[in-house]
Amino acid sequence: AQSVTQLDSQVPVFEEAPVELRCNYSSSVSVYLFWYVQYPNQGLQLLLKYLSGSTLVKGINGFEAEFNKSQTSFHLRKPSVHISDTAEYFCAVSERGSQGNLIFGKGTKLSVKP
Amino acid sequence: GAGVSQSPSNKVTEKGKDVELRCDPISGHTALYWYRQSLGQGLEFLIYFQGNSAPDKSGLPSDRFSAERTGGSVSTLTIQRTQQEDSAVYLCASSPRLIYGYTFGSGTRLTVV
Repeated sequence: AQSVTQLDSQVPVFEEAPVELRCNYSSSVSVYLFWYVQYPNQGLQLLLKYLSGSTLVKGINGFEAEFNKSQTSFHLRKPSVHISDTAEYFCAVSERGSQGNLIFGKGTKLSVKP
Repeated sequence: GAGVSQSPSNKVTEKGKDVELRCDPISGHTALYWYRQSLGQGLEFLIYFQGNSAPDKSGLPSDRFSAERTGGSVSTLTIQRTQQEDSAVYLCASSPRLIYGYTFGSGTRLTVV
């Protein structure tokens, strides 16, 4: 069975600083990986996804993530955050080729301070 | 429609009452998913539809929970004899294929008092 671990429940950071949100997954088969963002009182929005090919994936709002198969990780990064990036971020995994559901981590709350 | 629509956006109900939550997916999206989001618990998978059939009901927490989808479109999640632990935000998502990711609705916040 697949699982996702987001190692940090909360990450405080100052505006314009870099940030990394960590995600590790467990799966016995090849996977698809996703990051979603949830702004306060809103639904979840897809940030980026890894399906195959290049291990560095670029998404919306300047975010990127790197798939590391040996480390079973898919960490999310941004070189310089803005106040507007304050939100909760969810990592998710699915079995490659599956048409079934995504398994989500418990989320990381990013708080950007001026 | 342009996005995934869920109704109602908020629902307060008394313990023991039945509730129905509705999801209207994006037109043409064959896959529809229900999740429950509780404080600090992330997203808990409930059920998945492909067309009108539900290949995976494994996440439904008890037999008080049921869901159906008609015409390959609208889905209804029904919770019978609600309990306080059912209080959560219920999220619906749809997708044409999993590799495209999901499009989520804004959710229904259910409060059982």
